[in-house]
Amino acid sequence: QQQVKQSPQSLIVQKGGISIINCAYENTAFDYFPWYQQFPGKGPALLIAIRPDVSEKKEGRFTISFNKSAKQFSLHIMDSQPGDSATYFCAASMGSNYQLIWGAGTKLIIKP
Amino acid sequence: NAGVTQTPKFQVLKTGQSMTLQCAQDMNHEYMSWYRQDPGMGLRLIHYSVGAGITDQGEVPNGYNVSRSTTEDFPLRLLSAAPSQTSVYFCASRTGGRNQPQHFGDGTRLSIL
Repeated sequence: QQQVKQSPQSLIVQKGGISIINCAYENTAFDYFPWYQQFPGKGPALLIAIRPDVSEKKEGRFTISFNKSAKQFSLHIMDSQPGDSATYFCAASMGSNYQLIWGAGTKLIIKP
Repeated sequence: NAGVTQTPKFQVLKTGQSMTLQCAQDMNHEYMSWYRQDPGMGLRLIHYSVGAGITDQGEVPNGYNVSRSTTEDFPLRLLSAAPSQTSVYFCASRTGGRNQPQHFGDGTRLSIL
């Protein structure tokens, strides 16, 4: 019940296309769902996050869609650019336990 | 403002050797964590601290020790290195309160021969 399952493991998208990465969880007590972006040789950095009381959050070209009934959330990158090439991690946490449960990561490659 | 600084960036050890991975943050963050990152497995929590003098185990604590004598520093000690500990290690910190972002260092790439 603690797992966060992320798919796909890798993704290749043409420049200008839409990149979509999906995550699913089991534990309904999770109440915070961030996405982190990691470039090679660097640590992850927070990209965008959502709480389950909203169904969508948008920041620039990045959007989180959240489906509470299906226990799924996804990251959409619009007009994908080569600079978006990175590994993306979804995560979840709950209540007073602030520790994040991480997905396995998706390596995204944007082809010029 | 340096953020989270990890040293060394790379290290090769022989099986059975011990070493300490250093982590320092200059943001006065209460919470600090150590993760290991292995291909296809995401980030797994090793140990964490909610303040100076307070540490607790994460998901994969065996073979590692930590201490937190100051707010700034959170070293990770490998007691007797094993090949299974070959990984990339990340230190992270964040301020207290719910839903605060974690700030990561650039990692230490450790190989155990």
